[in-house]
Amino acid sequence: EIVLTQSPGTLSLSPGERATLSCRASQSVSSSYLAWYQQKPGRAPRLLIYGASSRATGIPDRFSGSGSGTDFTLTINRLEPEDFAVYYCQQYGSSPLTFGGGTKVEIK
Amino acid sequence: QVQLVESGGGVVQPGGSLRLSCAASGFTFNRYAMHWVRQAPGKGLEWVAFIQDDGNNKYYADSVKGRFTISRDNSKNTLYLQMNSLRSEDTAVYYCAKDPHIGPNWFDPWGQGTLVTVSS
Repeated sequence: EIVLTQSPGTLSLSPGERATLSCRASQSVSSSYLAWYQQKPGRAPRLLIYGASSRATGIPDRFSGSGSGTDFTLTINRLEPEDFAVYYCQQYGSSPLTFGGGTKVEIK
Repeated sequence: QVQLVESGGGVVQPGGSLRLSCAASGFTFNRYAMHWVRQAPGKGLEWVAFIQDDGNNKYYADSVKGRFTISRDNSKNTLYLQMNSLRSEDTAVYYCAKDPHIGPNWFDPWGQGTLVTVSS
């Protein structure tokens, strides 16, 4: 099973700043089969990124994904008030499908 | 637009059973794989089960294997999760989610979730 470790656990930033979230895999994720999700309190997760760097439909271009192998990054440029949430990475390169533990982006 | 609506959650005693449903609309249901994903209160996300578009291939997380069964009725555009021998650690919000292809891949979109509480 591929274990995904997200860091930091919590990121305290101000609107307008850049957020850099890390997702590290315990073994290589084949073909960059990695996705990112945003979840707000009491809501279902929403897909942001798939294939490590492809934005999902309707996702603003301030969200970008990068990385390969075991190291992946989600970057949010110019944080908007609605971006403060919990973010999860997920790998689908091997079974079982697994998620990281999440990074909370909170208002500083 | 794609819509997924879960139902069937509730309170059940340890060792009991429950069946969740997920009604799908806005897309050709029988062309897409589907998943169940759960989230324990205050915790992260855990993939639970996968079923291919035609229902022939199914995969499960080790934590539910042998207790949970995923199925689908393509004539009713509905996904199911039969949960038996429930334990306290199965308490969670259960989401159904659509796979973008024949799967398994990422999840998009998700339903609103249904809460299952296992407690005596």
